[in-house]
Amino acid sequence: QVQLVQSGAEVKKPGSSVKVSCKTSGGSFSASSITWVRQAPGQGLEWMGKILPLLDIANYAQKFQDRVTITADKSTTTSYMELRSLGSEDTAIYYCATDLPLYNWGQGTLVTVSS
Amino acid sequence: EIVLTQSPGTLSLSPGERATLSCRASQSFSSSFLAWYQHRPGQAPRVLIYAASSRATGIPDRFSGSGSGTDFTLTISRLEPEDFAVYYCHQYGSSPQTFGQGTKVEIK
Repeated sequence: QVQLVQSGAEVKKPGSSVKVSCKTSGGSFSASSITWVRQAPGQGLEWMGKILPLLDIANYAQKFQDRVTITADKSTTTSYMELRSLGSEDTAIYYCATDLPLYNWGQGTLVTVSS
Repeated sequence: EIVLTQSPGTLSLSPGERATLSCRASQSFSSSFLAWYQHRPGQAPRVLIYAASSRATGIPDRFSGSGSGTDFTLTISRLEPEDFAVYYCHQYGSSPQTFGQGTKVEIK
């Protein structure tokens, strides 16, 4: 059974960066895709981007293109999502998920951006 | 970018009733890449339907999906108390992937 465990909640200052991790187990990390999705308070799900660990290729939503980086470490079967130049609008729960459709999800990581 | 528009925004129904949720795309795409998710408060979303009409593992048969081209539907035949949640459609066939804005199914 595939499990995804994300890093804990973060509180960040505006203008700073956050890096959220997503440790996977029980599946084939390299053969899957890892997608990052977020949900801001009172809003719907928003696709941020995804990575194919086998090829180490990531693609991003245009909205985040300039300030997000998604990486995958095959040795630790962990994906990372770094978001830079944080603003209050980035306060959200960030999820990682594997495969397509998004079958397996992490528990979510709350990122709060506040001065 | 394929924009997915879900309707209605909120559906107020009673347990035992039938729910019909719509997802309309801004352009036609293969139904092989349309999924529906259920999202309960405090939980991660879970996939219900993929390829427009295939039920995911462990999903009760009261959930069904249909549609093609630009129009897709999720039907819940008889609402159970645990079905009151937000539902999202998701297209994953073209980049960027996109989600609909969600339909909230609430208890009437």
